[in-house]
Amino acid sequence: NAGVMQNPRHLVRRRGQEARLRCSPMKGHSHVYWYRQLPEEGLKFMVYLQKENIIDESGMPKERFSAEFPKEGPSILRIQQVVRGDSAAYFCASSPGKTSYEQYFGPGTRLTVT
Amino acid sequence: GQNIDQPTEMTATEGAIVQINCTYQTSGFNGLFWYQQHAGEAPTFLSYNVLDGLEEKGRFSSFLSRSKGYSYLLLKELQMKDSASYLCAVSGGSYIPTFGRGTSLIVHP
Repeated sequence: NAGVMQNPRHLVRRRGQEARLRCSPMKGHSHVYWYRQLPEEGLKFMVYLQKENIIDESGMPKERFSAEFPKEGPSILRIQQVVRGDSAAYFCASSPGKTSYEQYFGPGTRLTVT
Repeated sequence: GQNIDQPTEMTATEGAIVQINCTYQTSGFNGLFWYQQHAGEAPTFLSYNVLDGLEEKGRFSSFLSRSKGYSYLLLKELQMKDSASYLCAVSGGSYIPTFGRGTSLIVHP
């Protein structure tokens, strides 16, 4: 059973470009969570999605950031007009349900904005 | 809101026992998690506590006191490979875990 997959693993973008991060949850998991981790800091929750629905986006910056989890295909975190402060590791996690207590994390995407 | 505190860094000797503490303040409570994260890698699940008491799983044990807003992770028979960051996370009323900054554990020979 494949784990949570994220791609790309490393992404370099220049200021002003767009970044698209993809996450395929574990087989059978319909709940996806995105987190951001800055160096020496903890994981910060960004958004929680189910298929075709955003359940909680309380951690998402109001501008430039968006997320989706379409009926078919991976979940995508999109960052428009990236700035240097967006440089971080972005982790995706999945679970079988909301009340399932264990989240399975993907390997992360390291975004570097130059 | 939720607030989670854990020490920034700890050191210990191979073969020893180490206890990593976590205190929290939360509105609503649906469980406390411990994750291990090696540098440059994804967090991996270690334990989950929702009731008071001690949960033991091999060399790792986790304790919870809901009335005190307190948990600890106990690692026995430390190995060099246990050098990692240990993340305490609390699930509140929304079921979305809030993570602490993590405790960097350094195990030396």
